[in-house]
Amino acid sequence: DSGVTQTPKHLITATGQRVTLRCSPRSGDLSVYWYQQSLDQGLQFLIQYYNGEERAKGNILERFSAQQFPDLHSELNLSSLELGDSALYFCASSVEGGRSYGYTFGSGTRLTVV
Amino acid sequence: GENVEQHPSTLSVQEGDSAVIKCTYSDSASNYFPWYKQELGKRPQLIIDIRSNVGEKKDQRIAVTLNKTAKHFSLHITETQPEDSAVYFCAATPNYQLIWGAGTKLIIKP
Repeated sequence: DSGVTQTPKHLITATGQRVTLRCSPRSGDLSVYWYQQSLDQGLQFLIQYYNGEERAKGNILERFSAQQFPDLHSELNLSSLELGDSALYFCASSVEGGRSYGYTFGSGTRLTVV
Repeated sequence: GENVEQHPSTLSVQEGDSAVIKCTYSDSASNYFPWYKQELGKRPQLIIDIRSNVGEKKDQRIAVTLNKTAKHFSLHITETQPEDSAVYFCAATPNYQLIWGAGTKLIIKP
């Protein structure tokens, strides 16, 4: 257990639908990062939140949105889903201001759009 | 901004041999260089990292070297074992956001 909790682990939904992925960061970590990983692909950075505020945006589609709540958990909302959105979605967290910049990843949510 | 290139994309080595994966970065301000291992269907896990004030770091069969002048860093795995089969990602950062290489699929042949 990495300390980063992602739910659900698996999600199967139809095209056009909307889903919400949830992430609880490791205790003490203020930053949350969302990544998309399609089959046999690299880690595509979507968005970063730090202590409730959006800090950086990557290649996140307009159909996708995210937020970080006061208790630091984060949600990634995916709407108008397409077949190509099928992927593993990882959340990672890190503590900033310390010596370590390393990320700790959750186990991911496997999204299948049918 | 920072850009990280990783080579090779696939590496096949005989069990017991050594494996080397190389990354280059563009931003001279980058000061932290981690390596992650991702087994099939699982989360990436940090296996070793190095900071810009250090040239080399070892942890058992794994080592990382950093050449700041040439802006490249490498992962060395000695005495490879079947459980080393995975995708390895390098990353670099001048701030708190990691910029990732594209990954190297390491195959260990029996």
